[in-house]
Amino acid sequence: DAGITQSPRHKVTETGTPVTLRCHQTENHRYMYWYRQDPGHGLRLIHYSYGVKDTDKGEVSDGYSVSRSKTEDFLLTLESATSSQTSVYFCAISEAGVRYNEQFFGPGTRLTVL
Amino acid sequence: AQSVAQPEDQVNVAEGNPLTVKCTYSVSGNPYLFWYVQYPNRGLQFLLKYITGDNLVKGSYGFEAEFNKSQTSFHLKKPSALVSDSALYFCAVRGTNAGNNRKLIWGLGTSLAVNP
Repeated sequence: DAGITQSPRHKVTETGTPVTLRCHQTENHRYMYWYRQDPGHGLRLIHYSYGVKDTDKGEVSDGYSVSRSKTEDFLLTLESATSSQTSVYFCAISEAGVRYNEQFFGPGTRLTVL
Repeated sequence: AQSVAQPEDQVNVAEGNPLTVKCTYSVSGNPYLFWYVQYPNRGLQFLLKYITGDNLVKGSYGFEAEFNKSQTSFHLKKPSALVSDSALYFCAVRGTNAGNNRKLIWGLGTSLAVNP
């Protein structure tokens, strides 16, 4: 988990409220990813970024938006949280070049939507 | 469609015995293959990868994996299991199409339990 922090680590919120999760890296890696992990579904990619202000959708992007205004921060926003978004969210980073598919993961954020 | 399968949800092995965690894949072109481990309440950690070259790849914590192109498999192995190896293991493959080669395609994970 070195070099990647996620905040908050735990959050409980109510249906319909907006929620923002933050991923911060000190590795200066180009690529950043947001995943959710749910039992029976493994890891599913929500959004990813391949540079500042360059983002793209993953396989489960509906209801989520992201922003990356600087290299070290990648924000995930749940525009109006729903109970189906209760999950553990992981941020990951990878560097450009020959190691760019080696992803390094943050410690995760456990989100509960009531 | 490109995919990764981990056919076993759970693997149980006695400490000191060899372990194998299975992974098969389906991608077009030459695959880039990865294994990650997740300990309880932690993020995933990179174990090893196959890009090209020797079919037997060595990684962290004494793990190795064997790439078999004809069987489209990339099984994770360790000669002698430790109780501390108990964790969730994920296999992944890099997409090979222009639209998904920035992403990893993940298996659903295999829970490994090593019994003392």
